[in-house]
Amino acid sequence: TQLLEQSPQFLSIQEGENLTVYCNSSSVFSSLQWYRQEPGEGPVLLVTVVTGGEVKKLKRLTFQFGDARKDSSLHITAAQPGDTGLYLCAGKTSYDKVIFGPGTSLSVIP
Amino acid sequence: DTGVSQDPRHKITKRGQNVTFRCDPISEHNRLYWYRQTLGQGPEFLTYFQNEAQLEKSRLLSDRFSAERPKGSFSTLEIQRTEQGDSAMYLCASSLPRYTEAFFGQGTRLTVV
Repeated sequence: TQLLEQSPQFLSIQEGENLTVYCNSSSVFSSLQWYRQEPGEGPVLLVTVVTGGEVKKLKRLTFQFGDARKDSSLHITAAQPGDTGLYLCAGKTSYDKVIFGPGTSLSVIP
Repeated sequence: DTGVSQDPRHKITKRGQNVTFRCDPISEHNRLYWYRQTLGQGPEFLTYFQNEAQLEKSRLLSDRFSAERPKGSFSTLEIQRTEQGDSAMYLCASSLPRYTEAFFGQGTRLTVV
């Protein structure tokens, strides 16, 4: 069974600070996605990483896929209150099933 | 096409009643997924379809749950004899198999009282 773990589970920081959240698995995924979810809404796709070692940047967000395609990280620079939300990583298995990690709940305090 | 659409957005039902949710995927997306999510947790996989074929159903899903996608377009998820433990957000997503991203609807929030 392929599982995804995320850390930390909760993170509360002051506006302007930097942070990194992690997504780990013992299994290899063909791709990993990062989503952000606000209360009462569905997850919204932020990025997909496909190639081992790949780095993608989306404004203040930097995503990295591990060389072995088993882990990923999300780094946010100068966090803002609008970044508050549940950050989910998701992996696509070889059978095209998408499974999710438990999420990191981020709170950015003004 | 504006994205994945789910109906209703909210449903309150009495324990023991049956409920049915609908999901309309993005046009041309032949993969459709159902997930259940409780507060503060990640979405839990329930089942998924390629066109009208149901490819996998989670072993965590009891026999009270059934999903269909009769014409390979919209899908329905039915829960029979609801229990309080069924209270959750039910999410639907769709994708193209050659792409890697799944796009989500806004979910249906079920409350069983």
